[in-house]
Amino acid sequence: DSGVTQTPKHLITATGQRVTLRCSPRSGDLSVYWYQQSLDQGLQFLIHYYNGEERAKGNILERFSAQQFPDLHSELNLSSLELGDSALYFCASSGPWSGGDEQFFGPGTRLTVL
Amino acid sequence: QQQVKQSPQSLIVQKGGISIINCAYENTAFDYFPWYQQFPGKGPALLIAIRPDVSEKKEGRFTISFNKSAKQFSLHIMDSQPGDSATYFCAASSNNQGGKLIFGQGTELSVKP
Repeated sequence: DSGVTQTPKHLITATGQRVTLRCSPRSGDLSVYWYQQSLDQGLQFLIHYYNGEERAKGNILERFSAQQFPDLHSELNLSSLELGDSALYFCASSGPWSGGDEQFFGPGTRLTVL
Repeated sequence: QQQVKQSPQSLIVQKGGISIINCAYENTAFDYFPWYQQFPGKGPALLIAIRPDVSEKKEGRFTISFNKSAKQFSLHIMDSQPGDSATYFCAASSNNQGGKLIFGQGTELSVKP
């Protein structure tokens, strides 16, 4: 158990809908990263937040957004969902500095878009 | 230039044998190279990591070999066990890029009893 929690574990929804994925980092970690894992794209970095501020962005779609709250938990919002958004979404945490390095991954949220 | 290329895609090793997975990168700004292990239905778990100032790091049965001039690094699993059967990912990151990990494509390792 990495100490990173993610909810929900599974999510099934329809095209065009909007969902929110939640992540709580390990105690003491200030950084949260979001990654998408799919069969064709592999593990892809989406976005990094450090202590509430966005630090780096990957190939994140405009339909996707994220934020990190004062209690350091983070949410990834996916809207106007398409079939191709079906994937595993992982968050990872590290810290307390912003350089990244040892990132510990949560168990993931499996999103299925029908 | 941001890619990390990993090989082989799959690997079958007998119990007790040595598993070797290789990765190559282009971006010389990368300064942190971790390996992750992922079991089906689970998140990637950090296994071992290395920085470019050393050529080798060993933790138990797992060793990273790093060749800075060739821009390559590899994971060696000694005395491979059936419980090591999983997917292994190499990754790289640069401190000046917000710590984002660039992952290789993964290697599915199967250790036969």
